[in-house]
Amino acid sequence: VQLVESGGGLAQPGKSVRLSCSASGFTYDDYAMHWVRQPPGKGLEWVSSISWNSARRDYVDSVKGRFTISRDNAKNSLFLDMTSLRAEDTALYYCVKDRVEGGSAGFDYWGRGTLVTVST
Amino acid sequence: EIVMTQTPISLSVTPGQPASISCKSSQSLLYSDGKTYVFWYLQKPGQSPQLLIYEVSNRFSGVPDRFSGSGSGTEFTLKISRVEAEDVGVYYCMQSMLLPRAFGQGTRLEI
Repeated sequence: VQLVESGGGLAQPGKSVRLSCSASGFTYDDYAMHWVRQPPGKGLEWVSSISWNSARRDYVDSVKGRFTISRDNAKNSLFLDMTSLRAEDTALYYCVKDRVEGGSAGFDYWGRGTLVTVST
Repeated sequence: EIVMTQTPISLSVTPGQPASISCKSSQSLLYSDGKTYVFWYLQKPGQSPQLLIYEVSNRFSGVPDRFSGSGSGTEFTLKISRVEAEDVGVYYCMQSMLLPRAFGQGTRLEI
């Protein structure tokens, strides 16, 4: 299993960033996928999840209405569109695979992360 | 919203000695399907988190048998029978029963 994130960088408050994750080594369209973030020097926070068929999408309250998770099963890709960015969104964003085929039961494999820094 | 509380925040262990980390949830994590969705992860220095234990007590693929998980309801424990140098890092518990999924604040293990 390989998960490779991209798209991070420096963004100004109020601006937008799109994160991508390229997945390989497993049957991508059988699994829910997730984004988890980690502010510098701090702990882990679940951000968003999407079911295998995109029918269900969930978000932590602090990003609802600002972030949108999506996936392209034909391209084994996961995305996170982040708008109206705030300083508190600064974090390393991990792409994470669900442990169970067809369900949503926790995380097994993690990517290396992509860093988003929101600052003027 | 479920809150996961880990203790201790940090611990220093001599190689070969055991270690234990506690995780308490603010409500029962026993789901209606009979499973308890508690996970343990280790984040080694400079690395991404890696899954150690799923559903309280099941070791993930490739995880050494010196790691074990136990517990029920609201109290859970990760035990390392004999700590090795490669076990240093931050350990996190996580609940995946209800949204938002929640992590404990982490326990730093040092040698």
